[in-house]
Amino acid sequence: NAGVMQNPRHLVRRRGQEARLRCSPMKGHSHVYWYRQLPEEGLKFMVYLQKENIIDESGMPKERFSAEFPKEGPSILRIQQVVRGDSAAYFCASSPRTGGGETQYFGPGTRLLVL
Amino acid sequence: GNSVTQMEGPVTLSEEAFLTINCTYTATGYPSLFWYVQYPGEGLQLLLKATKADDKGSNKGFEATYRKETTSFHLEKGSVQVSDSAVYFCALETSGSRLTFGEGTQLTVNP
Repeated sequence: NAGVMQNPRHLVRRRGQEARLRCSPMKGHSHVYWYRQLPEEGLKFMVYLQKENIIDESGMPKERFSAEFPKEGPSILRIQQVVRGDSAAYFCASSPRTGGGETQYFGPGTRLLVL
Repeated sequence: GNSVTQMEGPVTLSEEAFLTINCTYTATGYPSLFWYVQYPGEGLQLLLKATKADDKGSNKGFEATYRKETTSFHLEKGSVQVSDSAVYFCALETSGSRLTFGEGTQLTVNP
């Protein structure tokens, strides 16, 4: 059973470009979470999605960031018009159920560098 | 709101030393508590968890006990190895499923 997959592992963008980060959850997992890790900091929650639905996006910046988890295919975190402050590691996690101490399984992350 | 406070690092130990990494939390309701470990360049791996008061989570020689009275979930290991060198994150989850993480504690174990 493959783990959570993320691609690309490393992404370099210039200011003003768009970044698309992909996450394929573990087989059988319908809950996906995105977290951001700024340099030398812990992980901060961004968004929680189920298939075709955004459940909680309270951690997402109001502008330039969006996320989706379509019926078919991976979850996508999209950052428009990137700025240097967006440079961070972005981690995706998935779980088969939600709440009650359910374990979230993390992918290897995408490390975004904005030049 | 929810928050997690971890012992400041970095922590440097010699092989076979005893390890404690302190973690305290503030939460509404009754959270589940987790320790995750992150090796260089990798994602987070679940180390152990506890879902109710007085539960003890354990894995690979690491232990942590959910102490409601002190709102703590300290991580301990009796004898660390070089391979335990990593960053350790304490986290909590309440209703809504999001994880709230501490800042992480860098552990380096020297041979």
